[in-house]
Amino acid sequence: EDKVVQSPLSLVVHEGDTVTLNCSYEVTNFRSLLWYKQEKKAPTFLFMLTSSGIEKKSGRLSSILDKKELFSILNITATQTGDSAIYLCAVAYLLTGNQFYFGTGTSLTVIP
Amino acid sequence: NAGVTQTPKFQVLKTGQSMTLQCAQDMNHEYMSWYRQDPGMGLRLIHYSVGAGITDQGEVPNGYNVSRSTTEDFPLRLLSAAPSQTSVYFCASRTTGELYGYTFGSGTRLTVV
Repeated sequence: EDKVVQSPLSLVVHEGDTVTLNCSYEVTNFRSLLWYKQEKKAPTFLFMLTSSGIEKKSGRLSSILDKKELFSILNITATQTGDSAIYLCAVAYLLTGNQFYFGTGTSLTVIP
Repeated sequence: NAGVTQTPKFQVLKTGQSMTLQCAQDMNHEYMSWYRQDPGMGLRLIHYSVGAGITDQGEVPNGYNVSRSTTEDFPLRLLSAAPSQTSVYFCASRTTGELYGYTFGSGTRLTVV
């Protein structure tokens, strides 16, 4: 059965800390892996990863994919209170890359 | 650009009632999907569409219908609401090509009593 598993389920850190969020997957016909940030409402797109070992970076956030070991990590350095959110991992499957399995998310709380 | 617009934002239904959740996008995206989000379950795909006139079922389609008469609109119909359909519903759209993620609407929080 296809699945996407995120860990930890929740995390509380202090401002300035560095965090690493994990996403492992077992998905037939893997096409790509995506990270989303969900604050109060809609998930917003962060990264899409299709190739192993190539880091994607945006400001303090970075992510990398390992297609051999079937996982991805999302790193956030120098965390800020605005980073508090649920971080969702999604894996695109099927040949069209159209549909996604989502993990249950990691809830990150950054306290001042 | 409005992006993906969902209405209503909140709704309370009685068991057995029917209703339609509206979704519209102004980005000329071909692909549209409906997800529901439940605590501890993540986002699960209900129905999706790859273009006007074409729809298909996702992981949890029972109790829901969709249609796609135009590129812009993708309404989700609850035929006879049940308490198990209490959830947050997200509509999402994206363009073709494998290198793009979905743009999500702001969600509809539905409670069935």
